[in-house]
Amino acid sequence: AQSVAQPEDQVNVAEGNPLTVKCTYSVSGNPYLFWYVQYPNRGLQFLLKYITGDNLVKGSYGFEAEFNKSQTSFHLKKPSALVSDSALYFCAVREADYGGATNKLIFGTGTLLAVQP
Amino acid sequence: DAGVIQSPRHEVTEMGQEVTLRCKPISGHNSLFWYRQTMMRGLELLIYFNNNVPIDDSGMPEDRFSAKMPNASFSTLKIQPSEPRDSAVYFCASSFRAERNQPQHFGDGTRLSIL
Repeated sequence: AQSVAQPEDQVNVAEGNPLTVKCTYSVSGNPYLFWYVQYPNRGLQFLLKYITGDNLVKGSYGFEAEFNKSQTSFHLKKPSALVSDSALYFCAVREADYGGATNKLIFGTGTLLAVQP
Repeated sequence: DAGVIQSPRHEVTEMGQEVTLRCKPISGHNSLFWYRQTMMRGLELLIYFNNNVPIDDSGMPEDRFSAKMPNASFSTLKIQPSEPRDSAVYFCASSFRAERNQPQHFGDGTRLSIL
């Protein structure tokens, strides 16, 4: 079965410092991986995805994520955090291969990022 | 470009009443998803449609919940009768084709409170 784990409920970082939001996944085949951000009273916004190819994926607002197949991880990173990055971040996985597997996108429980000025 | 549009944004109603949530997906998208978000259970997929046809409704919690997609530009999620435990934020999302590498685009949700 597919699953996603976001081990940290909250990450605190000072503005200007680098940030990392962790995500690990479990699928039986190859994964498609996604990061979304949710601001208060808004829907989830797509940030970036890993499909295939380069393990470092660049996305919106200066975010990037690194796919590590051996560690089954897809951590979200940004070199310099902004106060405006404070939000709830969700990692999601979908199994890439067909053959009866579900087409559902499985979301993690979310990590609240708090950037202090 | 217009994103996914949901209405109403907020709904407060009494237990036992019928509730209808509406969604207009992004033009050209042919997959539509309904989610529910609560503090206790996080984000749950309720049902999704491909080309207006329901594909997987295994997440629909009870027979009180029903969803329809009469055409490519409109979907409804109905709760009848509503109960206080249905209080949540309900999101609609759409994607271009149901292919697995396509991201879903979310509306801003309907915050539902059942008294």
